[in-house]
Amino acid sequence: GDSVTQMEGPVTLSEEAFLTINCTYTATGYPSLFWYVQYPGEGLQLLLKATKADDKGSNKGFEATYRKETTSFHLEKGSVQVSDSAVYFCALRGGGSNYKLTFGKGTLLTVNP
Amino acid sequence: GAGVSQSPSNKVTEKGKDVELRCDPISGHTALYWYRQSLGQGLEFLIYFQGNSAPDKSGLPSDRFSAERTGGSVSTLTIQRTQQEDSAVYLCASSSQLAGGPETQYFGPGTRLLVL
Repeated sequence: GDSVTQMEGPVTLSEEAFLTINCTYTATGYPSLFWYVQYPGEGLQLLLKATKADDKGSNKGFEATYRKETTSFHLEKGSVQVSDSAVYFCALRGGGSNYKLTFGKGTLLTVNP
Repeated sequence: GAGVSQSPSNKVTEKGKDVELRCDPISGHTALYWYRQSLGQGLEFLIYFQGNSAPDKSGLPSDRFSAERTGGSVSTLTIQRTQQEDSAVYLCASSSQLAGGPETQYFGPGTRLLVL
């Protein structure tokens, strides 16, 4: 079945540091890929998405590129801020279905001033 | 416009009691999803509705769990004879049907259930 593996946290960075959170997946067909973010005390929010190979999703300075050859969708940001502190979830919607999201375990990011 | 809303935000119950969790999707969204977020299992899919029908109930963990959706809008997730392992945050999401494109799922704030 479909699965998502993402880098385990927690990740602690200083403000303005470079961020990478690794995400790899296993899926049949051609999945769509997502990053969701959960800020403290809030619900899950879509951060960015990509629907086909080589697509790059971007939002709020975050980027991720859909790499079919390496089955990866790593999240990056060039300069993190304290306000980026949150839990980040990588997820896929399998090509064989158009509904169910399969999530990774989540990565807690803490950014210190 | 209003997002997905869920009630109650928190629920504490005693083992063996029944609970009902409510989800109000974004107006006009035909698809509705329930997920569970727990420490040990991460985020798990429970059930999916398209309109009032549930084509996929495969994620429901046991027959104590059931869900319904009426009028293509509000959904209720019911857990009968609650157990301590049911303690989790129950998340609801909704999406529209986009022709030729992925349906982005928008999540509610969740209901935090604690079974004592």
